[in-house]
Amino acid sequence: EPEVTQTPSHQVTQMGQEVILRCVPISNHLYFYWYRQILGQKVEFLVSFYNNEISEKSEIFDDQFSVERPDGSNFTLKIRSTKLEDSAMYFCASGGRTRDNEQFFGPGTRLTVL
Amino acid sequence: TQLLEQSPQFLSIQEGENLTVYCNSSSVFSSLQWYRQEPGEGPVLLVTVVTGGEVKKLKRLTFQFGDARKDSSLHITAAQPGDTGLYLCAGASGGSNYKLTFGKGTLLTVNP
Repeated sequence: EPEVTQTPSHQVTQMGQEVILRCVPISNHLYFYWYRQILGQKVEFLVSFYNNEISEKSEIFDDQFSVERPDGSNFTLKIRSTKLEDSAMYFCASGGRTRDNEQFFGPGTRLTVL
Repeated sequence: TQLLEQSPQFLSIQEGENLTVYCNSSSVFSSLQWYRQEPGEGPVLLVTVVTGGEVKKLKRLTFQFGDARKDSSLHITAAQPGDTGLYLCAGASGGSNYKLTFGKGTLLTVNP
C-alpha cells in the first residue's frame, strides 16, 4: 500500500542553523502539506502546496520557513534559522483530488533544537 | 479561527465496555476525518465522513457526522486492549487547500 515517507526520523540541530526536512508523498497525490506537533499539544497546520505553489500558510509559517518540490517526487520543508521553539514533530501529508479531502500522514521527523 | 473540541480528553475503561468520543465545533467542515496516533508516530487515517448525518462502520468502530457537519462522534463497541491509543478528529475546511484543523485528541486506555 502506498505511504508517505519522511527523512530523517530525528534531527538534532543548534539554534540558528538551517534544517531541511524531506518527504516523499504518495505518487499520484496532488496536494501536499506540512503540519507540526509540539510535545503534548495538538497537530497544527503549517502550509499547503498545490500546483507547485503555496495555496495557504498559517501564522506559524513565517519568513524563516519555505517549502519546495524540487523534482516532482520530494517535498521539502526548510527552516532557515532554527529557534528553540521550533522543536517539534513535523509531519508531511499528501492528498488526492477527492471529495473526501483525505490526507495521509508520514511518520514524522522529530526536530530538536538545542 | 476554526476550533475542534474533543471530549473526553482521557478515558480509561475495562475490556468489553462500550464508549463514545465526541468532536464538536461551531464551524462547518466540508469533511471530517478520524485518525489514531501512537506515541512518536504520525496520525493514521481511520475514516472520513463527508455528508451530514453520515454513519460509517469500521468493524467495532462507528463514526457519525452531525447533520449540520459541525460535530462527529466515534463509538467503540466491546473495547479491546488493542484499541488503546490517541484518537484525533480533524476537520477539513472548504476551498482549494483542504487544510485540516485538529482537535487535541482523546487518549483511550482499555484495561484487560
